[in-house]
Amino acid sequence: EPEVTQTPSHQVTQMGQEVILRCVPISNHLYFYWYRQILGQKVEFLVSFYNNEISEKSEIFDDQFSVERPDGSNFTLKIRSTKLEDSAMYFCASNPSVASGTDTQYFGPGTRLTVL
Amino acid sequence: RKEVEQDPGPFNVPEGATVAFNCTYSNSASQSFFWYRQDCRKEPKLLMSVYSSGNEDGRFTAQLNRASQYISLLIRDSKLSDSATYLCVVIGGPLYNFNKFYFGSGTKLNVKP
Repeated sequence: EPEVTQTPSHQVTQMGQEVILRCVPISNHLYFYWYRQILGQKVEFLVSFYNNEISEKSEIFDDQFSVERPDGSNFTLKIRSTKLEDSAMYFCASNPSVASGTDTQYFGPGTRLTVL
Repeated sequence: RKEVEQDPGPFNVPEGATVAFNCTYSNSASQSFFWYRQDCRKEPKLLMSVYSSGNEDGRFTAQLNRASQYISLLIRDSKLSDSATYLCVVIGGPLYNFNKFYFGSGTKLNVKP
């Protein structure tokens, strides 16, 4: 069964450093998402991406964050200058399309980001 | 007001019990609703979509009440393996707007032998 993959599984970084979290969505999916979950808290929507552009973003997704789909397979989340409060699990998800007849999101296993 | 609200629990039940979780949502334009399951430190996984007519999948039954903006999940004959956090998820907007999914904070279920 196809799945969403994410790398690395755990990233440790110093405050102020840039990090790039990588995701490979399921190959025929058209909608891509990033979420974060701070330990013990709820899953929070960050951004959705469709047709090579951001379609929605939350108030969390400020100028420190950016997303890219640099090629046909990868979907990346960049945090320019990490803060302590960016420490969280970051989940990537993808969704096929309206035409597929399903509105299910498929989640990757997550990248745990620790900012020291 | 939060987009999606759930009772955080935990619900501690014996094996074989029936347990029900509730969820309310604030956006009356929402059209798509889901229950996800999340095990500790793992990604959310879709349990079932919630349809207007209600739907059942084995021991799991989901109901939607649009007038009250309320979703429920019923688990019958609970198993030890049902222990997890159950997340109510709502797409924030009209039908086929896949751009924004709102998650509730989750309801924790502990099934005891």
